[in-house]
Amino acid sequence: EAGVTQFPSHSVIEKGQTVTLRCDPISGHDNLYWYRRVMGKEIKFLLHFVKESKQDESGMPNNRFLAERTGGTYSTLKVQPAELEDSGVYFCASSPGGGELFFGEGSRLTVL
Amino acid sequence: AQSVAQPEDQVNVAEGNPLTVKCTYSVSGNPYLFWYVQYPNRGLQFLLKYITGDNLVKGSYGFEAEFNKSQTSFHLKKPSALVSDSALYFCAVILGMGSSYKLIFGSGTRLLVRP
Repeated sequence: EAGVTQFPSHSVIEKGQTVTLRCDPISGHDNLYWYRRVMGKEIKFLLHFVKESKQDESGMPNNRFLAERTGGTYSTLKVQPAELEDSGVYFCASSPGGGELFFGEGSRLTVL
Repeated sequence: AQSVAQPEDQVNVAEGNPLTVKCTYSVSGNPYLFWYVQYPNRGLQFLLKYITGDNLVKGSYGFEAEFNKSQTSFHLKKPSALVSDSALYFCAVILGMGSSYKLIFGSGTRLLVRP
């Protein structure tokens, strides 16, 4: 069974550009989460989808970040326009419910 | 605020020696606690969890963790460390319930096992 996959694994962009990160959850998992780890700090929650609905987006830092999960399958996280402080590793996780989250390998974003 | 704390940025241990990675929590109600590990250039991998029951929880790769309610701790332990255990370890707690829950992570502890 395929795990959570994320694309791209690494993206390098200039300040002001746009980047879109993609996450494919484990098939059948209704819960999908985005997290990020910035500059070696803690892993911070961004948002939580249940199917296609945003259950909790309290961690989204500002309106430059837009997450979608059309059809309740894969999800995208767009950063537009990117700023230097957005650099970090963005993790996606999915869960069937019951607590345990299954994580992807992360997308490293570098904003120059 | 509900949170988890990992007081050590790094833990150094010699191969074959026991290891402990510390975690304390501050949550209301009964905590659901987790440990995850991140190996270099890999994603987060689940190690073990405490939901209810025995305070000593056994997980993957020979790791175990002890839930201590009076000390609000959930320290990760292994009797004999391996060089391959060198990685980044994260303690986490579930917040919320029902369909609205999320993991809140500690800041992580880097474990370095020297040969």
